[in-house]
Formats: sequence, structure tokens, C-alpha cells
Amino acid sequence: QKEVEQNSGPLSVPEGAIASLNCTYSDRGSQSFFWYRQYSGKSPELIMSIYSNGDKEDGRFTAQLNKASQYVSLLIRDSQPSDSATYLCAVGPGNTPLVFGKGTRLSVIA
Amino acid sequence: GAVVSQHPSWVICKSGTSVKIECRSLDFQATTMFWYRQFPKQSLMLMATSNEGSKATYEQGVEKDKFLINHASLTLSTLTVTSAHPEDSSFYICSATGGGPGYTFGSGTRLTVV
Repeated sequence: QKEVEQNSGPLSVPEGAIASLNCTYSDRGSQSFFWYRQYSGKSPELIMSIYSNGDKEDGRFTAQLNKASQYVSLLIRDSQPSDSATYLCAVGPGNTPLVFGKGTRLSVIA
Repeated sequence: GAVVSQHPSWVICKSGTSVKIECRSLDFQATTMFWYRQFPKQSLMLMATSNEGSKATYEQGVEKDKFLINHASLTLSTLTVTSAHPEDSSFYICSATGGGPGYTFGSGTRLTVV
């Protein structure tokens, strides 16, 4: 059973701080890794994808991947109240459907 | 960017009736479409995977005769909830591959069965 684990939260951070979201996965053959943001009552939207070990930065977001540790993380710098949402980690083993974690609820407090 | 248009965004129906939800990929060909269901404050639950021209593959525990999926073209997939009951009330979301990295999600359909 392929699994993706996330801390459900809520993770509360003050405005302007760095939010750190973590995800572990069970399938060592996983090749692609994604972070989605889902606001309450809305569908998920892709915010980051990463495929190789190391860091990938896009604006205030940095995704980090460590395949040896089967660990992927998302850092959000200068967190804003508008970043308050549930963040879903998704892992792709290849040609089979993405496996989604249950999500971490982030609350940025003004 | 890639867009998946999902309609209707919300629907209220009477128990025992059927509801059709439509998803269209607007600017790409959707090789594969996935249908999810999400109950309040819970995670996405994959219901089925469909490829154009093929029968959908349903996840364990999902009744294929109740949730009819048709993927007739590379840009259109439909989910029909037949004989809906209040316990089918949920947020239904489609997603597609072929529009860039990962999945492109539709905007979701909130179904309420009364």
C-alpha cells in the first residue's frame, strides 16, 4: 500500500514567519512530487512540483526533496493570512494515480 | 495555463434522482481523468480513473453501477450519480493529466441530496 503521510495540523504561524510543511512517502520508486493548496470549499491548485533531490524555489515557496529519506517539504517564506489553507502533498509512482496525503491545515495569524 | 472546466458548481437534487457532472479540458487533451469525492474536513478520496474510450477503473468500495463514468473524448468526461441518496452528498472533483505537471483539477461540484 503506497502511503503519503502528513501532519494534519493545524500549523499556526504568525504573519511574516516561515511555515514549514512536511511529508513522507512509502514508495521508494516514486518519481514526481507535488504540493497543492486547497482553500476551504475549493478544489486543489498546484503550487509546486519537484522531481530531483534538492531545493526548488518559486517566489515565496521552496520545495525540498530528499529521496534517500523519502521526505519532501514545503517552505513558505513571509507567510500571509491568504496562505491559510490546507496543503496537500502528492507523490507519483509513475503511471499509476498520484497518491495524496491527507493534508496539513495551515493558519497564518495576522 | 491548463484549465479543466467542471459543471455544475453546485446542485441540489431529490433523493432517487440522477445527477450528471461534466468535466471538460479546455486547452489540452486529457489523457486520463480522475474523479474524487471529498467529505467536509476530510481528504480527497479517489473514486475512479478513466481513459478516453475505455471503461473506467473504480477504486475498491466504489459502486460502478451507481457512479457512471463516461470518457467519450479526450476533452470530456462525465460522472453520473444514479439514484442519489443523502449519503451521496459530497464535494466531487475531477482532475486530468496532460495539461502540465501533476494533475489539473476542475473547480468541483457540491452535491446536496435532499
